[in-house]
Amino acid sequence: SYVLTQPPSVSVAPGQTARIPCGGNNIGSKSVHWYQQKPGQAPVLVVYDAGDRPAGIPERFSGSNSGNTATLTISRVEVGDEADYYCHVWDSNSDHYVFGTGTKVTVL
Amino acid sequence: EVQLLDSGGGLVQPGGSLRLSCAASGFTFSNYAMSWVRQAPGKGLEWVSHLSGGGGATYYADSVKGRFTISRDNSKNTLYLQMNSLRADDTAVYYCAKVSSLVGGSFPFDYWGQGTPVTVSS
Repeated sequence: SYVLTQPPSVSVAPGQTARIPCGGNNIGSKSVHWYQQKPGQAPVLVVYDAGDRPAGIPERFSGSNSGNTATLTISRVEVGDEADYYCHVWDSNSDHYVFGTGTKVTVL
Repeated sequence: EVQLLDSGGGLVQPGGSLRLSCAASGFTFSNYAMSWVRQAPGKGLEWVSHLSGGGGATYYADSVKGRFTISRDNSKNTLYLQMNSLRADDTAVYYCAKVSSLVGGSFPFDYWGQGTPVTVSS
């Protein structure tokens, strides 16, 4: 089955840039989506198709995808960006959706 | 405004059954695929099941195949998850999610319900 690997945690100072990698075999050939989940809340879509943003999501959130790694980038990090972040793809070989292992972003 | 209201969770004994519901509003329900996603306590997100807008395509995670059944009533704008033969490792918060396409595939989950907790314990 297809596996998406993320680092358990990323720490960043306010105002700096956080980069969250999502590793998967040839993930560059897939559409990758990213979700933000704050404690006790449902996930929220923040980036889709690797680089587009839903309405209401700040331009500080962006994405890229190439080779075996997709990356969510949060620019000018704010305290309110503290959350868990998950990548997500559709695996057409198994007809399964797959979520990454999740990354906790801590703003120092 | 799109709204998804999950309900039906609760405490159930191992081997028991439970049916979850997800009431949708604010969009043309039959035009969109829907999925269920769960999250065990302190763990990450796990996709559970998917159903196309017309109901013709269903997919299940290996961990629930043969025990769970996804269905929808487009006349009632409601998605269901029938869960049978429940096990302790099915304990989780269950979320319904709207897929941003009729069939599914490489499309994001653009709206989520608030989740309904399921606890499997004797």
